[in-house]
Amino acid sequence: EVQLVESGGGLVKPGRSLRLSCAASGFIFADYAMHWVREAPGKGLEWVSGLSWNGGTIGYADSVKGRFTISRDNAKNSLSLQLYSLRAEDTAFYYCVKGSDSSVHDAFDMWGQGTMVTVSS
Amino acid sequence: QSVLTQPPSASGTPGQRVTISCSGSSSNIGSNTVNWYQHLPGTAPKLLIYSNNQRPSGVPDRFSGSKSGTSASLAIRGLQSVDEADYYCATWDDSLNVPVFGGGTKLNVL
Repeated sequence: EVQLVESGGGLVKPGRSLRLSCAASGFIFADYAMHWVREAPGKGLEWVSGLSWNGGTIGYADSVKGRFTISRDNAKNSLSLQLYSLRAEDTAFYYCVKGSDSSVHDAFDMWGQGTMVTVSS
Repeated sequence: QSVLTQPPSASGTPGQRVTISCSGSSSNIGSNTVNWYQHLPGTAPKLLIYSNNQRPSGVPDRFSGSKSGTSASLAIRGLQSVDEADYYCATWDDSLNVPVFGGGTKLNVL
């Protein structure tokens, strides 16, 4: 059974940093693209960042480019998102998402339960 | 303002057929396949339709997808109360070089 378990969310002050992690199991992690998608309170889904199976292709939404860094460790079946210079508008549920294939172009076929990030003073 | 345009809400009664539209442009829907996601309150989003009209294993055949030009649609026949959820279309955008979502459609089953 595919499982994606996020951790690392919490309450953080504007301008501070946070690191989100995702532990994956139940599939060959190294074969698939992985993504982070967020949902702010009262808003819709927003793709945040994604990377291909080997990390060779990485992308970021304009809203987080230069502030967030995505990475993966295929040996540890883990995905991370480092969030810097956090803003109130980054407050959201962050989902770890598995791609349906190795490329970032493909569908998102499994989602974790999410971890909440709240940016507030 | 989402790149893909969906109606904010839709509704139907049990047993009815409802459709949800998703409008884009030549750089996204016009040149890439469309996926649909169902997001039930308090749960993780779920892939409902991929590659315009394919259902993942376990998704009932009451759900179907189609695409024409720069628009796509999701149809649900035999509407049930359990279908009450938010529905999102998504695809790749060749100009932005990122995946893009529609704003979501809240489906109410009356």
